[in-house]
Amino acid sequence: EDKVVQSPLSLVVHEGDTVTLNCSYEVTNFRSLLWYKQEKKAPTFLFMLTSSGIEKKSGRLSSILDKKELFSILNITATQTGDSAIYLCAVKGGTSYGKLTFGQGTILTVHP
Amino acid sequence: NAGVTQTPKFQVLKTGQSMTLQCAQDMNHEYMSWYRQDPGMGLRLIHYSVGAGITDQGEVPNGYNVSRSTTEDFPLRLLSAAPSQTSVYFCASRGGGGNQPQHFGDGTRLSIL
Repeated sequence: EDKVVQSPLSLVVHEGDTVTLNCSYEVTNFRSLLWYKQEKKAPTFLFMLTSSGIEKKSGRLSSILDKKELFSILNITATQTGDSAIYLCAVKGGTSYGKLTFGQGTILTVHP
Repeated sequence: NAGVTQTPKFQVLKTGQSMTLQCAQDMNHEYMSWYRQDPGMGLRLIHYSVGAGITDQGEVPNGYNVSRSTTEDFPLRLLSAAPSQTSVYFCASRGGGGNQPQHFGDGTRLSIL
């Protein structure tokens, strides 16, 4: 059974701090790992990672994948209150459809 | 672009009632899925479809039915609602090709009394 575990489950920081969110996985026939940000409604797509060691970056957010150790990290530098959200990690594996298996999510709270 | 549209946004049901959650996408996506999100459990896949006329079960299919008569629509039916089905339900779609991310609707918050 495919499994995705995120840590920590919740995190409280102050504006300006740097945070690192972790995602480890066990999946049959790995295809890709995705990060989503969820505020009040729908999860919104952040990154898709398919290759080890290649950093994806968007503004203050960056992510990297280690396919040997089966984990990914999501870094957020100089956090802002608008970064407060649930961050979801999901792994696509299996058949050509590539069903997503989600982790529990990390609840990030950024205080002013 | 409307993207993925879910209706209703909120619903309260009594145990034993049936209802249909609607999902429509205007991106001509082949793949559509239904998830439920419960506290501390992330999103769990209920049913999915790889194209019109083709559906399959996900991780937690019991108590739910789906059909896919058109590319655009993928309704989720609760046959006889139970309190354990109280949750937030998300519909998602993605295009073909191996590396397309899923796009999510805004969710339906469902309470079963």
